[in-house]
Amino acid sequence: EADIYQTPRYLVIGTGKKITLECSQTMGHDKMYWYQQDPGMELHLIHYSYGVNSTEKGDLSSESTVSRIRTEHFPLTLESARPSHTSQYLCASSDPTARTDTQYFGPGTRLTVL
Amino acid sequence: GNSVTQMEGPVTLSEEAFLTINCTYTATGYPSLFWYVQYPGEGLQLLLKATKADDKGSNKGFEATYRKETTSFHLEKGSVQVSDSAVYFCALGGYQKVTFGIGTKLQVIP
Repeated sequence: EADIYQTPRYLVIGTGKKITLECSQTMGHDKMYWYQQDPGMELHLIHYSYGVNSTEKGDLSSESTVSRIRTEHFPLTLESARPSHTSQYLCASSDPTARTDTQYFGPGTRLTVL
Repeated sequence: GNSVTQMEGPVTLSEEAFLTINCTYTATGYPSLFWYVQYPGEGLQLLLKATKADDKGSNKGFEATYRKETTSFHLEKGSVQVSDSAVYFCALGGYQKVTFGIGTKLQVIP
């Protein structure tokens, strides 16, 4: 059973606010990911991390930033939210030492920016 | 680079019908292949996986066989239930990250 948590589950916020989406995992996985999911379902990788102090940009350009100070924690921050940031955000982790790179997903945060 | 082509939905089936969701891939080397499922309001869950050619992954009545000759990993289930209504993602494991298909929405009606 995967143990990866995201808070909040739902967030409605006004334009210009700073927000942080939290993601934590208790599996000790080194690799973590953030995806943005369209209303049409497609997943877009926006950030990933190989471990502590490692952060990389994903395939889709994003105005968000991430940090990885602890193995279990991978928060995503938007300094100034805009309506175009409205989306579902999914966090995932994987164990790079495992034979297959199975990803374990959190339940997601649905963000609405008014 | 790696890519996954997955049939577009939505797919609407009656309960107990046979399900096939097609997935083909392009990759170098010998990637692992996955099917993930996303139920409404939730994140993705691993449904099944296969790590090498001719492997068959199976779970909850779903099956998929890693076909290297046709570069395919089609998802099948003999008799779907209403509770199978969800979005299904085919995925390919690469060196640095996993490549996902666009997702296929399945709706099963009683």
